[in-house]
Amino acid sequence: QVHLVESGGGVVQPGRSLRLSCAASGFIFSRFGMHWVRQAPGNGLESVAVVSHDGNEKYYADSMKGRFTISRDNSRNTLDLQMDSLKAEDTALYYCVRDGQKGYNDLDFWGQGTLVTVSS
Amino acid sequence: DVVMTQSPLSLPVTLGQSASISCRSSQNLVHSDGNTYLNWFQQRPGQSPRRLIYKVSNRDSGVPDRFSGGGSGTEFTLKISRVEAEDVGVYYCMQGAHWPPTFGQGTKVEIK
Repeated sequence: QVHLVESGGGVVQPGRSLRLSCAASGFIFSRFGMHWVRQAPGNGLESVAVVSHDGNEKYYADSMKGRFTISRDNSRNTLDLQMDSLKAEDTALYYCVRDGQKGYNDLDFWGQGTLVTVSS
Repeated sequence: DVVMTQSPLSLPVTLGQSASISCRSSQNLVHSDGNTYLNWFQQRPGQSPRRLIYKVSNRDSGVPDRFSGGGSGTEFTLKISRVEAEDVGVYYCMQGAHWPPTFGQGTKVEIK
């Protein structure tokens, strides 16, 4: 079955960088778009970025544009999120989410998340 | 961004009774392909979100038929009939018709 495992979270100072990864298994990774979605502690859900199945198209939420970069390696079945110039408000649990094939922004399977804490 | 507004935000229910959650979007969720991209997710305590319903009314595999979705345009509803203890959690609606996908604030379902 679909399995998504995020890693790379941790505590980082404001202004520094962090790189998250997601290892995918149980499906043909190269056929599916992939999202990052985050959830601040005790709060709701917020889209971060999406990348197309082949990596050629990428979209970002406005508050992350210019600071975050989504990428993928279909040879290794991995999804990454490079986060630069981190701010306290970026503190959240970051989920890797598959975009299914039932239409647009079809967020069907979620990983368990990796926690990012931005604090001095 | 499309704003998704859920009500109520807290929903105490009696076991075996029904529950209903409303979701309103600030824009029409009918895509140019003719589909309406409104999903419902369940997040149990300490777990990741799990999708229950896609495109308004389609249940995902393994979702009990106690869960049903309906609505159109900008007004949508999730109904849970015969609430069970395992239904406790936070329920989110999400629109996928416009980038970025946006979520409602969440409705916390608890047992009375």
